[in-house]
Amino acid sequence: SQQGEEDPQALSIQEGENATMNCSYKTSINNLQWYRQNSGRGLVHLILIRSNEREKHSGRLRVTLDTSKKSSSLLITASRAADTASYFCATGDTGRRALTFGSGTRLQVQP
Amino acid sequence: DAGVIQSPRHEVTEMGQEVTLRCKPISGHDYLFWYRQTMMRGLELLIYFNNNVPIDDSGMPEDRFSAKMPNASFSTLKIQPSEPRDSAVYFCASKGTKWDTQYFGPGTRLTVL
Repeated sequence: SQQGEEDPQALSIQEGENATMNCSYKTSINNLQWYRQNSGRGLVHLILIRSNEREKHSGRLRVTLDTSKKSSSLLITASRAADTASYFCATGDTGRRALTFGSGTRLQVQP
Repeated sequence: DAGVIQSPRHEVTEMGQEVTLRCKPISGHDYLFWYRQTMMRGLELLIYFNNNVPIDDSGMPEDRFSAKMPNASFSTLKIQPSEPRDSAVYFCASKGTKWDTQYFGPGTRLTVL
């Protein structure tokens, strides 16, 4: 079953704009991860944030985590056409080593 | 490293046939996961192994599905008999003990006619 719901389901922006995706989850977590999936391909890990962290940066990516609200957001700054993909949040807990994935956000960056 | 390797990349079969999907994890990774992705249900965990031992198979939909990991470098997911509703993309992923990041293979797109 899916742990997280992502919002929006689809997002279309122009190159150079920022893209923000949100993820909500239901249970206690140890970490939250974001993955990207290009059409017809496997998932690629982008960034991980632990439950005791509030914000993390990696290049043009910024992730925030609010454990009190059970939510996270992924910000992609200065988007490029190559950022076009589906983005998934995934949660991990302390007991179970597997990840539970959200429903995903389809991002389209128009050149 | 070649990453996680899956075969075949595409499989088209007829209802009732046996299907076997294969996965080679990244060398040194001791966790292996099988996921299924459909439009309706998204990305679902089917089963995962630790040190070749199945740990959680609660996501395996029914007895028609079985998975094995005979050694650290090979795993199979078998569907027998296959049904049209099994049509999906099946992903294999692996990770090391010290890390939470999972590395995904390219997936096998299964179509059951």
